[in-house]
Amino acid sequence: DTEVTQTPKHLVMGMTNKKSLKCEQHMGHRAMYWYKQKAKKPPELMFVYSYEKLSINESVPSRFSPECPNSSLLNLHLHALQPEDSALYLCASSQEELSRLDEKLFFGSGTQLSVL
Amino acid sequence: QQPVQSPQAVILREGEDAVINCSSSKALYSVHWYRQKHGEAPVFLMILLKGGEQKGHEKISASFNEKKQQSSLYLTASQLSYSGTYFCGTEVGGSEKLVFGKGTKLTVNP
Repeated sequence: DTEVTQTPKHLVMGMTNKKSLKCEQHMGHRAMYWYKQKAKKPPELMFVYSYEKLSINESVPSRFSPECPNSSLLNLHLHALQPEDSALYLCASSQEELSRLDEKLFFGSGTQLSVL
Repeated sequence: QQPVQSPQAVILREGEDAVINCSSSKALYSVHWYRQKHGEAPVFLMILLKGGEQKGHEKISASFNEKKQQSSLYLTASQLSYSGTYFCGTEVGGSEKLVFGKGTKLTVNP
């Protein structure tokens, strides 16, 4: 299994809703990432988990709350989002930390989020 | 810290060649190249490490000039399947943070 699976593929939510995005990989990768991508823009890093511990938080607003319950699973909990948070949310994983060089990112197909 | 890619867009006819450049004002440890087709996830193409090496993937190759802090992606005899947006990514200070350039949209027409 060489896939990173993200669910749901599409999500529409109101500004008062609470929802969660899910990401799963069974490649034994020890680093997992959340990226946000606006239309026609590059992916922007949000969070990095390394060995199930949060190692990077790119000053993301607290309405986004990541969680790594185990080495295969990564969640992104959403609460009180704003319309400008509408974007494609990509999950990625790598065998080891990128700082070890020669590591590559495997991306999931993303969750297209619309906040009304 | 964001690498600079050029050109922003390229339109080719099938069989033509193209070069996409990626440069940084910071010292580079490595350069990643990814391709993203419309509505799909970015897909890894190759990674270049310090040392000025070249790598190849099908008819796509890349070079890394450490002194100039830049990398170039070479697409030879382009195919329709090469269409997409190409992103270079550079690591910040040996951390887990991969920062992507703004992308180069490549369109290959029959």
